[in-house]
Amino acid sequence: DTAVSQTPKYLVTQMGNDKSIKCEQNLGHDTMYWYKQDSKKFLKIMFSYNNKELIINETVPNRFSPKSPDKAHLNLHINSLELGDSAVYFCASSHGGKDTGELFFGEGSRLTVL
Amino acid sequence: GNSVTQMEGPVTLSEEAFLTINCTYTATGYPSLFWYVQYPGEGLQLLLKATKADDKGSNKGFEATYRKETTSFHLEKGSVQVSDSAVYFCALSEDVDMRFGAGTRLTVKP
Repeated sequence: DTAVSQTPKYLVTQMGNDKSIKCEQNLGHDTMYWYKQDSKKFLKIMFSYNNKELIINETVPNRFSPKSPDKAHLNLHINSLELGDSAVYFCASSHGGKDTGELFFGEGSRLTVL
Repeated sequence: GNSVTQMEGPVTLSEEAFLTINCTYTATGYPSLFWYVQYPGEGLQLLLKATKADDKGSNKGFEATYRKETTSFHLEKGSVQVSDSAVYFCALSEDVDMRFGAGTRLTVKP
């Protein structure tokens, strides 16, 4: 039973298109995240939500919009895709609070923009 | 702001060699420190952690000690195996903000 699951695992699309990646966690955690990992494996935080409220919003283009319908779900929508958006996007969750502790990661969604 | 710096890779070792991957951090408060490991095609998973100064985290033969005086959290293993080949990330967390280092790729050859 997967703790943090994200779909799709692979996404190939043309420049200018709009796409979404979905994430769900069944761990009962309060906090969820989106990270972007580039081809050199560098991992950069994009967004974090705590109980459906946005708490971290790094310098990310407005084309990226997270949505959290409930605390178990955090989806990522990307408008007008660009070549530089090609990366692996990881969803993660934690129990949050003052001592966040361990992050639990999904398997990643590899986005390729042609 | 908070940040983590870890030694650049890649690192290539022979089986049973000693491993050290250096990690230093900058933080405004008292963060928790972590090492995560990423195997090919997978997400990151926690390897070990330490929540306060002088704590030692350990797991699967890996160890790291939280050194406040040198702001370091170096990862060590006495005898690596081929199955340890992966990318290793040092990370720090204050509240809900988890920041990662650039990652160090380790390849262990038989």
